[in-house]
Amino acid sequence: AQTVTQSQPEMSVQEAETVTLSCTYDTSESDYYLFWYKQPPSRQMILVIRQEAYKQQNATENRFSVNFQKAAKSFSLKISDSQLGDAAMYFCAYSGGGADGLTFGKGTHLIIQP
Amino acid sequence: NAGVTQTPKFQVLKTGQSMTLQCAQDMNHNSMYWYRQDPGMGLRLIYYSASEGTTDKGEVPNGYNVSRLNKREFSLRLESAAPSQTSVYFCASSEFFRETQYFGPGTRLLVL
Repeated sequence: AQTVTQSQPEMSVQEAETVTLSCTYDTSESDYYLFWYKQPPSRQMILVIRQEAYKQQNATENRFSVNFQKAAKSFSLKISDSQLGDAAMYFCAYSGGGADGLTFGKGTHLIIQP
Repeated sequence: NAGVTQTPKFQVLKTGQSMTLQCAQDMNHNSMYWYRQDPGMGLRLIYYSASEGTTDKGEVPNGYNVSRLNKREFSLRLESAAPSQTSVYFCASSEFFRETQYFGPGTRLLVL
C-alpha cells in the first residue's frame, strides 16, 4: 500500500515571504499522480496543484510551485509571496494506477504572520 | 454549476440510529468517492465508485454501505451509528479515476 508522509505538522511564515512544505511518499508504481490540496477553516478541500509522475517538468500555478524528485519520492510545495489568505491546512495526496481514490498525508498547518 | 453538493451539513445521531448521507455532482463525472476526516488525520477513503454501477471498499469501510444511484448521485449509509463514526465526511468526484478529485463541502456527523 502507498503511504504519504508530511513531516511538518505546523509551519509559520511572514507575509510576503516564501515557504516550502515537505511531502514524501512510498510506492512501487512508476505511473501516478501527486496533488496538493488546501483546506481553509471553512473545511472546503481546494486543489492547489497537480503533478503527473511521467512529466519531468515541475508544475506551477501562479505563486505555487512544486519540486518533484521522482527518484527520491519527494514532492514539496513552495509558496512564494505568502498572503494571509494562504493560511490553511495543506494536504499532500497520491493517486496510483488503481481506481481506489487518493492517499493523503496527515497535513501541515500553515500560519501566516502579518 | 454547483459542483459537488452534500446533505446534510451537520447531523447529530444517537448510538444505534441509522442515516444516509447524500452526495450529488453535476460535472458528468464517472468516478465518485466517500472519505472521512478525523482530527489530526488526512482524509481516508471509505468507499468508491469507479463508474456507474460499480462500488468498492476503500481503506475504512466497516460500518458503512454505499449506493451509486445513478451517474450523479452516490450515497453513504450508516446502518447502526457508533461513536467511532463521529467525523467529517467528504464526497468527491473525478472525470475518471486517477484524475483530479473535486470535493463537496463536507458533512459533520456527531454520534452520541
